[in-house]
Amino acid sequence: GENVEQHPSTLSVQEGDSAVIKCTYSDSASNYFPWYKQELGKGPQLIIDIRSNVGEKKDQRIAVTLNKTAKHFSLHITETQPEDSAVYFCAATDSWGKLQFGAGTQVVVTP
Amino acid sequence: GAVVSQHPSWVICKSGTSVKIECRSLDFQATTMFWYRQFPKQSLMLMATSNEGSKATYEQGVEKDKFLINHASLTLSTLTVTSAHPEDSSFYICSASWDRGEDGHLSSYNEQFFGPGTRLTVL
Repeated sequence: GENVEQHPSTLSVQEGDSAVIKCTYSDSASNYFPWYKQELGKGPQLIIDIRSNVGEKKDQRIAVTLNKTAKHFSLHITETQPEDSAVYFCAATDSWGKLQFGAGTQVVVTP
Repeated sequence: GAVVSQHPSWVICKSGTSVKIECRSLDFQATTMFWYRQFPKQSLMLMATSNEGSKATYEQGVEKDKFLINHASLTLSTLTVTSAHPEDSSFYICSASWDRGEDGHLSSYNEQFFGPGTRLTVL
């Protein structure tokens, strides 16, 4: 089955700096890779996703890159702001369309 | 669009009682709904996959007689935690998706839209 590893587990950045979170997956059949932001006590919110036929996708300050050969994908947040502080989860679909989540990254943006 | 609601947002119950959690897709028809549980500072763990009009498929290690799932319509799925015990205390989150592939399985291109979660505390 699919196994998704996520690093780092915690990430502290100064406001305005960039944050990068990396994930690897094991199932070569995976073809959909979403990223979620979860604030305390709330459900996950989709912030960006990428499909296997695309190598990079950008939405304002957020970008995701995918390397299918190496089976890894990354989230990049530029010009971080205090409201970016949250737990971020990567995920990858298995061949049944079910999402397998990474362990999460606690991002803290300090003013 | 693609809004998913859950009710209640939190519930406290006594040990041995049953609790029902509702998950609704508000502006789309969800052919598939998923139920997750999340312990503090941990990731989401899939409990079961629910397709409208058919029995739910449970993940390994999840007791189907304890966590009853009903997906009676394209906009509503319910999770009932039966005979709840303190170890069932957790954050329960549903998600909804639509459109199955030709082989009957969920297309792995489909997004999942998550509800806000339900905090269950069993005393």
